[in-house]
Amino acid sequence: QQQVKQSPQSLIVQKGGISIINCAYENTAFDYFPWYQQFPGKGPALLIAIRPDVSEKKEGRFTISFNKSAKQFSLHIMDSQPGDSATYFCAAGASGTYKYIFGTGTRLKVLA
Amino acid sequence: EAGVTQFPSHSVIEKGQTVTLRCDPISGHDNLYWYRRVMGKEIKFLLHFVKESKQDESGMPNNRFLAERTGGTYSTLKVQPAELEDSGVYFCASSQPLRVGPDTQYFGPGTRLTVL
Repeated sequence: QQQVKQSPQSLIVQKGGISIINCAYENTAFDYFPWYQQFPGKGPALLIAIRPDVSEKKEGRFTISFNKSAKQFSLHIMDSQPGDSATYFCAAGASGTYKYIFGTGTRLKVLA
Repeated sequence: EAGVTQFPSHSVIEKGQTVTLRCDPISGHDNLYWYRRVMGKEIKFLLHFVKESKQDESGMPNNRFLAERTGGTYSTLKVQPAELEDSGVYFCASSQPLRVGPDTQYFGPGTRLTVL
């Protein structure tokens, strides 16, 4: 049973466009939601993370929007660049446990 | 500061053979995790060490998998005997515990295991 559902599976965006990746979770105990970025041949690297006490967090061109009542969160990449082409994973964690539950990943391609 | 390192980067073995994967966490990180990603699916938790103690091994698929962390430093994950369904990318991650809430996990580059 997958506890974090991620969509879309793949995404193609023109340079300068907005990339949007969505995740939904079921377990209301989750209280930490990181996004990881993975380039080919590399491990996932933390991109940005949010806790449910805020509805939005922005770091540069990357923004997480969080909707606690809907149990959904999303990653927005503004002004997408070819260098953003990577696989993005959403994840969820809960205080008192240490493991992350990951989504299935979104392969983003930004066209030059 | 060196990141999480994993060895080997790739391993191709025959069904029934044994393979041992190694992970060196970031120096000083007490928490060490193993995850696995089967092609196209989610990154799935396998187990969690705090120093040399296993805290949670609820994700280990079966008793063909054995993880150790001697002296609380590096960790090994042994698969014996390997089966076709064990193929995937095995990630190791480490973290330094925060006082409150889940801590940030830093991932290694992974070991791609192919069982033929």
